[in-house]
Amino acid sequence: EPEVTQTPSHQVTQMGQEVILRCVPISNHLYFYWYRQILGQKVEFLVSFYNNEISEKSEIFDDQFSVERPDGSNFTLKIRSTKLEDSAMYFCASSGERTNSPLHFGNGTRLTVT
Amino acid sequence: QQQVKQSPQSLIVQKGGISIINCAYENTAFDYFPWYQQFPGKGPALLIAIRPDVSEKKEGRFTISFNKSAKQFSLHIMDSQPGDSATYFCAARRANTGGFKTIFGAGTRLFVKA
Repeated sequence: EPEVTQTPSHQVTQMGQEVILRCVPISNHLYFYWYRQILGQKVEFLVSFYNNEISEKSEIFDDQFSVERPDGSNFTLKIRSTKLEDSAMYFCASSGERTNSPLHFGNGTRLTVT
Repeated sequence: QQQVKQSPQSLIVQKGGISIINCAYENTAFDYFPWYQQFPGKGPALLIAIRPDVSEKKEGRFTISFNKSAKQFSLHIMDSQPGDSATYFCAARRANTGGFKTIFGAGTRLFVKA
């Protein structure tokens, strides 16, 4: 069964540094998402992306964050000038075009900001 | 309006018992209600989902009951097994101009005692 893959599985960075989290969504999916989960708590919506542009973003997704689909397969989340409170699990997800198409999640990148 | 409220926060059930998790929502624009199961170190995975024009959906030991007028829905796990021990998230999705936005409940940690 096709799956969403995320790299790296764990990223440690110093406060103020930039990080790029990478995702390869399921190949025939058209909608892409980033979610965040802090310490096993609630899964929080960050951004949705369709047709090479952001379709919706949450209040968490401020100017510090950006997303990009640089080629036909990768989907990236960039966090500029990381803060301690950015430490979390970041999940990439994708979904197909059908109305009932569910989110398919990757296994996440654990970001630790020190 | 965007929230999905989930209870209980944690649940301990004897093997063979019934696990019940409840959720409530406010936004009538939600059109799809999935449940996700998450094991430690993994991303959430779709367990079962329902649309609001259906009052109940059953898949194996898992049943969603949906009350549209009360804006409530619940997950029942029959004959609960130790392997069901995980965190369960209810969710609600609405369409936007560029796809779909899924909002998650706070999660329920289920522990099934052998």
